[in-house]
Amino acid sequence: NAGVTQTPKFQVLKTGQSMTLQCAQDMNHEYMSWYRQDPGMGLRLIHYSVGAGITDQGEVPNGYNVSRSTTEDFPLRLLSAAPSQTSVYFCASSLQGPSSYNSPLHFGNGTRLTVT
Amino acid sequence: SQQGEEDPQALSIQEGENATMNCSYKTSINNLQWYRQNSGRGLVHLILIRSNEREKHSGRLRVTLDTSKKSSSLLITASRAADTASYFCATDPFSGGYNKLIFGAGTRLAVHP
Repeated sequence: NAGVTQTPKFQVLKTGQSMTLQCAQDMNHEYMSWYRQDPGMGLRLIHYSVGAGITDQGEVPNGYNVSRSTTEDFPLRLLSAAPSQTSVYFCASSLQGPSSYNSPLHFGNGTRLTVT
Repeated sequence: SQQGEEDPQALSIQEGENATMNCSYKTSINNLQWYRQNSGRGLVHLILIRSNEREKHSGRLRVTLDTSKKSSSLLITASRAADTASYFCATDPFSGGYNKLIFGAGTRLAVHP
């Protein structure tokens, strides 16, 4: 199993450009989520999904869109990139969600995004 | 604002010593989890403790939870250079809906040979 795969690993955008960060998992996990990691801030939850067709907002959803058309994929869209979105983005999945026992998050290796 | 805050922010020890990291949080929780992050990589789950548990062990890891003080600690015994990483606590709060795991800012641990 590849686990959680994120692409691309690195991306540079100009202010106002749009892009999609890809996330795929092959573990048949129902739950998927996106976090951003900034220095000194830890990880902050952007959006999450408890199953195909269901998404919900996390702590910092503004400026980001998500959809979940399949169990395997959970793309994160930046519609109009801003310098404040410069960060490292992590996708994570779990079998039933982190509120369930024995359902820890499995993380991808991240996408480092710079917006100039 | 973040739910969990780790203390200290950074810790430097020698191999063989024990490392203790603390986490405080603000609201009632379903469970608390600890994760490790090696430089440039994603986080890896270490251990989960439920709100009705007080202590859990996993190999060289020992986690305690004090819900009355809203705090947890992670103890790594007999540390090794390979334990060098950042460690994060994450809480699953009662309020705001389920399945929203909230992370603290982390403790950077350096273990010197």
